[in-house]
Amino acid sequence: DIQLTQSPSFLSASVGDRVTITCRASQGISRFLAWYQQIPGKAPKLLMYAASTLHSGVPSRFSGSGSETEFSLTISSLQPEDFATYYCQQLNSDPYTFGQGTKLEIK
Amino acid sequence: QVQLVQSGNEVKKPGSSVKISCKASGGTFSRDSISWVRQAPGQGLEWMGGIIPIFGTSSYAQKFQGRVTITTDESMKTAYLEVTSLRSDDTAVYYCARVVSGGYFGKYFDYWGQGTKVTVSS
Repeated sequence: DIQLTQSPSFLSASVGDRVTITCRASQGISRFLAWYQQIPGKAPKLLMYAASTLHSGVPSRFSGSGSETEFSLTISSLQPEDFATYYCQQLNSDPYTFGQGTKLEIK
Repeated sequence: QVQLVQSGNEVKKPGSSVKISCKASGGTFSRDSISWVRQAPGQGLEWMGGIIPIFGTSSYAQKFQGRVTITTDESMKTAYLEVTSLRSDDTAVYYCARVVSGGYFGKYFDYWGQGTKVTVSS
C-alpha cells in the first residue's frame, strides 16, 4: 500500500497568515492526489484534485502543487473558516490511502 | 446537484453485523463509483472499499477483506456497506462518497454522505 505522510501534524497560525502543508508519498503517484478539508462533526469536503486543480466553488486562496512523491497545499491568506483539519489522499492505486491529517488551529 | 443521504446511527453488540445505506439523488448512479470511508473517534480517514454499480464490481482494502461487503441496488440508487463480526475498534463514523473518474485528472471523491455513527459496545 502507498503511505502518505503529512507535515506538520499540527499547525498554529493567525488570520491573514500564509500556510503550507506538505504530503509525501512512499512511492510515485504521478499527480493523482486530492486534498480535503474537514470541520469537526462534518464530512470531508473536496478542495483540490489532480494535485493542483481547484474544485468548483473552492476559494482561490487555496492552491496545490507537486508530483510523484512531494505535494503541498497552500492557503495564501487564512480566513476564520479555514481552521480545520486537512487530509491528502492518493488515488493512483487501490487502496486509496489518506495522510494522517494536519490540524490547523488559531494562534 | 448530487446528494448522498445515509441511514441513521447504530448501536451494535460485539460479534453482530451492521448494514448502512447511502441513497443518491442527482448524478448518474449506475456509472458513478461509490466508496466507503470510515473515521474512528479522534482519528483520520480510512478507505474501506468501493463499487461501480454498472459493473457490479467491488474492491476492498486488504484489512477489510472477508468482513466487509459493498453492494448496490440500482433501482433504488442506493449503495450499502455491511460489516460483520463487529469489534469495539469498528466504532467509527462511516461515510459514503461518490468517486469521479476524471480521465487525465484521475479520480477524486467529490460528494460525501453526512456520515453514520456506529457504536460497538456490549
